Amino acid sequence: AQSVAQPEDQVNVAEGNPLTVKCTYSVSGNPYLFWYVQYPNRGLQFLLKYITGDNLVKGSYGFEAEFNKSQTSFHLKKPSALVSDSALYFCAVSPDYGQNFVFGPGTRLSVLP
Amino acid sequence: NAGVTQTPKFQVLKTGQSMTLQCAQDMNHEYMSWYRQDPGMGLRLIHYSVGAGITDQGEVPNGYNVSRSTTEDFPLRLLSAAPSQTSVYFCASSYSSNPQSNEQFFGPGTRLTVL
Repeated sequence: AQSVAQPEDQVNVAEGNPLTVKCTYSVSGNPYLFWYVQYPNRGLQFLLKYITGDNLVKGSYGFEAEFNKSQTSFHLKKPSALVSDSALYFCAVSPDYGQNFVFGPGTRLSVLP
Repeated sequence: NAGVTQTPKFQVLKTGQSMTLQCAQDMNHEYMSWYRQDPGMGLRLIHYSVGAGITDQGEVPNGYNVSRSTTEDFPLRLLSAAPSQTSVYFCASSYSSNPQSNEQFFGPGTRLTVL
């Protein structure tokens, strides 16, 4: 069965500094990996996904994520954080051509001015 | 496009009552799903559908029913509400279950409290 771990409940970073939100996964077969962001009282919004190819995936709002197969990780990164990036971030995995998404528990990112 | 819409936004039920959470999408998406979000647990899949007339169970289906009579609508029914069903419910849709085009679009959510 697939699973997703986000080892940090909360990440604090100063505005302008780089940020990393960590995600590790477990899945049989090829992993399809996603990052979503949730702002207060809103639904989740798609940021980026990895299917195949280049291990560095670029997404919305300047975010990128690096797929590392040997470490089964898919960490979300941004070179320079903004206060407006403060939100709840979810990593998710979908098995090969499967329909069942599995989400991680979420990491709350706070960017301090 | 309105995207994915959900009604109601808020609902309070008494234990044992039944109700239907509505979900609709106007993007002609094949795949629709229902999740519940509880603190510290992320989103858990309740039921999903890969097309009209086809539904299947997710991780936490007990106490919930779904149907998919049209491509656009995917209602979630609570048969006999229990306090354990207090949660925020999200409906989502994607163009298909093909990973090339399966990023999901989420509705704004329904906050349900069962007393």
